[in-house]
Amino acid sequence: EIVLTQSPGTLSLSPGERTTLSCRASQSISSSYLAWYQHKPGQAPRLLIYGASSRATGIPDRFSGSGSGTDFTLTISRLEPEDFAVYYCQQYSSSPRTFGQGTKVEIK
Amino acid sequence: EVQLLESGGGLVQPGGSLRLSCAASGFTFSNYAMSWVRQAPGKGLEWVSTLVGGGTITWYADSVKGRFTISRDNSKNTHYLQMNSLRAEDTALYYCAKDQGRSYPHWYFDFWGRGTLVTVSS
Repeated sequence: EIVLTQSPGTLSLSPGERTTLSCRASQSISSSYLAWYQHKPGQAPRLLIYGASSRATGIPDRFSGSGSGTDFTLTISRLEPEDFAVYYCQQYSSSPRTFGQGTKVEIK
Repeated sequence: EVQLLESGGGLVQPGGSLRLSCAASGFTFSNYAMSWVRQAPGKGLEWVSTLVGGGTITWYADSVKGRFTISRDNSKNTHYLQMNSLRAEDTALYYCAKDQGRSYPHWYFDFWGRGTLVTVSS
């Protein structure tokens, strides 16, 4: 099973700031089969990025993903008030599909 | 617009059973695999089970294998999770998710529901 470790656990930031979230895999993820999701309390999780760097339909271009192998990042270029949430990475390279433990982006 | 609506959660005693449902709309349901993902209180997301569009192939997490059964009724655009022999550690918010991709396990979850809460307690 591939274990995904996200860091940091929590980020305290202000609107307008730029931030980078990290996701590290315990073994190489083939073909960049990595996705990122945004999750707000009481709402459905939302797909942001798939294939490590492809934005899902309707996702603003302030969200970008990069990385390969075992190291991946999600960058939010300029935080909007609606971006404060928990972010999860997920690998779909091998079964079972696994998630990271999440990074909470909170308002400072 | 894709919509997924879970139902069937509730309070159940250890050893009991529960059946969750997920009603889907906004896409050709029979063309897509569907999954269940859960989140225990204070924990992260955990994939539970997946079923292909035709309903013939299933996959389960080791933690639920032999106790949970995933199924679907394409005529009703609904899929199900039958949960038997429930344990306290099955307590979680259960999400229905639509799969997208080429072939298993290379599928990500492109749409999710809001979840239904299952509490296993005496």
